[in-house]
Amino acid sequence: DAGITQSPRYKITETGRQVTLMCHQTWSHSYMFWYRQDLGHGLRLIYYSAAADITDKGEVPDGYVVSRSKTENFPLTLESATRSQTSVYFCASLGQMNTGELFFGEGSRLTVL
Amino acid sequence: SQQGEEDPQALSIQEGENATMNCSYKTSINNLQWYRQNSGRGLVHLILIRSNEREKHSGRLRVTLDTSKKSSSLLITASRAADTASYFCATVLYSTLTFGKGTMLLVSP
Repeated sequence: DAGITQSPRYKITETGRQVTLMCHQTWSHSYMFWYRQDLGHGLRLIYYSAAADITDKGEVPDGYVVSRSKTENFPLTLESATRSQTSVYFCASLGQMNTGELFFGEGSRLTVL
Repeated sequence: SQQGEEDPQALSIQEGENATMNCSYKTSINNLQWYRQNSGRGLVHLILIRSNEREKHSGRLRVTLDTSKKSSSLLITASRAADTASYFCATVLYSTLTFGKGTMLLVSP
């Protein structure tokens, strides 16, 4: 089915561990984004990518690493998880440039103990 | 920092009433979008209004944009219990969207 999927949907980890959140889209959209959603902060942009092998920082990139070796995948890695990274993470892809509509995944809820 | 700021933070109404949410922003935009998020789900695009447009309709949704005041409003007419959700405005500059903190709408039967 066409769409954008995130995995895992739920993850519990410990402080200091590495965690990778996966994101896969089937539309071949050029732009992809990672947001985190926290109570009181709304959605904040972590990283985005304009195309394969092109990534750029968003508002809150510290502690995160991304890669984009293939257009359809945009994984987000927390190299050494901290409790402040407990959040719900959303991946999104951008539809046609002239519509500007973002298509979101269902989110990955991460808890860092 | 957040670009869009929604007002009110929470809104509670009865079915059949209209719901109005406002969004203020700080800098230039290419367009402004509204999204809806049901509890525990991802955001879903509702409507987009370009910077040179003043009003747009889609079904029961009406969006206005006042670039001189840097503000937008989303009106949901004849609300239904199924409209209960959080609503976010997103300002768009080039290819980056910046979201506000959202308005939580509760529609009671």
